[in-house]
Amino acid sequence: GAVVSQHPSWVICKSGTSVKIECRSLDFQATTMFWYRQFPKQSLMLMATSNEGSKATYEQGVEKDKFLINHASLTLSTLTVTSAHPEDSSFYICSARVPPGYEQFFGPGTRLTVL
Amino acid sequence: QQQVKQSPQSLIVQKGGISIINCAYENTAFDYFPWYQQFPGKGPALLIAIRPDVSEKKEGRFTISFNKSAKQFSLHIMDSQPGDSATYFCAASRGSTLGRLYFGRGTQLTVWP
Repeated sequence: GAVVSQHPSWVICKSGTSVKIECRSLDFQATTMFWYRQFPKQSLMLMATSNEGSKATYEQGVEKDKFLINHASLTLSTLTVTSAHPEDSSFYICSARVPPGYEQFFGPGTRLTVL
Repeated sequence: QQQVKQSPQSLIVQKGGISIINCAYENTAFDYFPWYQQFPGKGPALLIAIRPDVSEKKEGRFTISFNKSAKQFSLHIMDSQPGDSATYFCAASRGSTLGRLYFGRGTQLTVWP
């Protein structure tokens, strides 16, 4: 299947700092990428849908100013958690849809811990 | 309102046995039904997927059974192995929404030797 990478795989930061997570499609061009958040032993919660060259579409309840998403190219989307707080600690996962079909592949995830 | 309902929440199967996980959906506009496997600390991996024009799809030890009239689909894992121990998620999407996946709550499968 197609390969999606994420960087970093884990990050620890102090409260109040900003953290950027990168999501890359390595062997295909992804016009649409998705960002999820997952708490322990729970399902994936969609945060936003990112389309190349346009503004991201956020799910209800997700703070746009806190979770900044940029999809600047067909192979890269970034999620920036601004002014992170301990409650933002979670497992963040991106996925990318392989056009023109329906298949969607996930990155390995980024574990964010805010102290 | 949860778009995709998954059961059971946890499943324990003996090695060599058959693992069966069930999902149900309400939205008849869904036209793509994938299953994902997730190990602790890793991202979900696409296992197998089906479209509603077929009732069954098999890939190795993994089979999806699809019942369009009942709006249900299930994953069967034949000859279950300890290495299959993971969390399994069913999902559904429709093409008009650019592939937005609606996930079930997940099933934690444990295969004991």
